[in-house]
Amino acid sequence: DAGVTQSPTHLIKTRGQHVTLRCSPISGHKSVSWYQQVLGQGPQFIFQYYEKEERGRGNFPDRFSARQFPNYSSELNVNALLLGDSALYLCASSLIRVDNSPLHFGNGTRLTVT
Amino acid sequence: LAKTTQPISMDSYEGQEVNITCSHNNIATNDYITWYQQFPSQGPRFIIQGYKTKVTNEVASLFIPADRKSSTLSLPRVSLSDTAVYYCLVGDVSNTGKLIFGQGTTLQVKP
Repeated sequence: DAGVTQSPTHLIKTRGQHVTLRCSPISGHKSVSWYQQVLGQGPQFIFQYYEKEERGRGNFPDRFSARQFPNYSSELNVNALLLGDSALYLCASSLIRVDNSPLHFGNGTRLTVT
Repeated sequence: LAKTTQPISMDSYEGQEVNITCSHNNIATNDYITWYQQFPSQGPRFIIQGYKTKVTNEVASLFIPADRKSSTLSLPRVSLSDTAVYYCLVGDVSNTGKLIFGQGTTLQVKP
């Protein structure tokens, strides 16, 4: 079975631009979470979506938004990019409403903002 | 969500057993303890999860004392390929999907 897939794997953008990152969860997983990982630090939670609804949001500005589609795939959008948005963006999927099922992460999208 | 404290780094040699301890004094009744492994430029990979006592799978063991205020990840006979960052997390992931990662423990396995 395929794991969590993310696209693109690498991306270079200029300050002020907009970016869309995509994620396909493991088949059967209905929850998708997004994390930002800056070099040298642990991942930081951005959003969780389940059944197309936002179920959790981390401490990120409104420039960050996301959505989940009927097939449970998800997009993360970041507007007005800043240099500080350069990071590895990780998507994770999980079964929800199952007793503490662990998150399964993709290998991320490396975003570089110049 | 409970905050965790773990050593920033550890060194070991191939073939040795490695124990990484994590403190989580404010763990809640519904919280599980989960460990992830991360290699450079990859997403974290689930290793093991437990609630109390001892859990063992094909790659690791997790020891949790009765008060659940700490936990120890045990990696038997490590190899060079076990060099990675190991994260200890506590929380009820099924609730919001939000996990709080600390800085993790960077394990360096030497030949």
